[in-house]
Amino acid sequence: DVKVTQSSRYLVKRTGEKVFLECVQDMDHENMFWYRQDPGLGLRLIYFSYDVKMKEKGDIPEGYSVSREKKERFSLILESASTNQTSMYLCASRVATGAEQYFGPGTRLTVT
Amino acid sequence: KNEVEQSPQNLTAQEGEFITINCSYSVGISALHWLQQHPGGGIVSLFMLSSGKKKHGRLIATINIQEKHSSLHITASHPRDSAVYICAVGGSQGNLIFGKGTKLSVKP
Repeated sequence: DVKVTQSSRYLVKRTGEKVFLECVQDMDHENMFWYRQDPGLGLRLIYFSYDVKMKEKGDIPEGYSVSREKKERFSLILESASTNQTSMYLCASRVATGAEQYFGPGTRLTVT
Repeated sequence: KNEVEQSPQNLTAQEGEFITINCSYSVGISALHWLQQHPGGGIVSLFMLSSGKKKHGRLIATINIQEKHSSLHITASHPRDSAVYICAVGGSQGNLIFGKGTKLSVKP
């Protein structure tokens, strides 16, 4: 079974803090994604990566950056957390374009 | 207009009922996905289909490419089916475009 894990299920941070969300997949998948999910808005793509050291902006990249130094790990960074970044963050991976995506359990981030 | 529209947004059913959730899309797609999300939980892929019909247990997914429409059916619904069901389509860049989800509640 594919396993996608995220470093925290729940996280509370203060405004202005630098926040790291980690995602690890164990199936040698090429592609990895970061989404945020908000009530009434559904899932929105923040960043994605087609391969190691590659990254592409999604629909809402402002206020976020990413890092993919190893194939299995994709990190989402909030350089200076703000209250409007309070959300559920979901990581996903897939073996290649067009394949099924596998999701992590999500991190519920609260910025106070 | 959203590129992926789901209906209904909310659905309450009695245990045992037959359930249908609909998804319409306006973009060209390579495949359509149905996903399930339980409260507080992660998202699980139920189906990926590009034509016809797929069945897994009590769940059936159909797609009509010409009409740009897909349906997810649940037969003999059970309270454990209560979840948010999300339709997503594979866009031209290979990324998914998501509907806003249908929240299903099955009462015993």
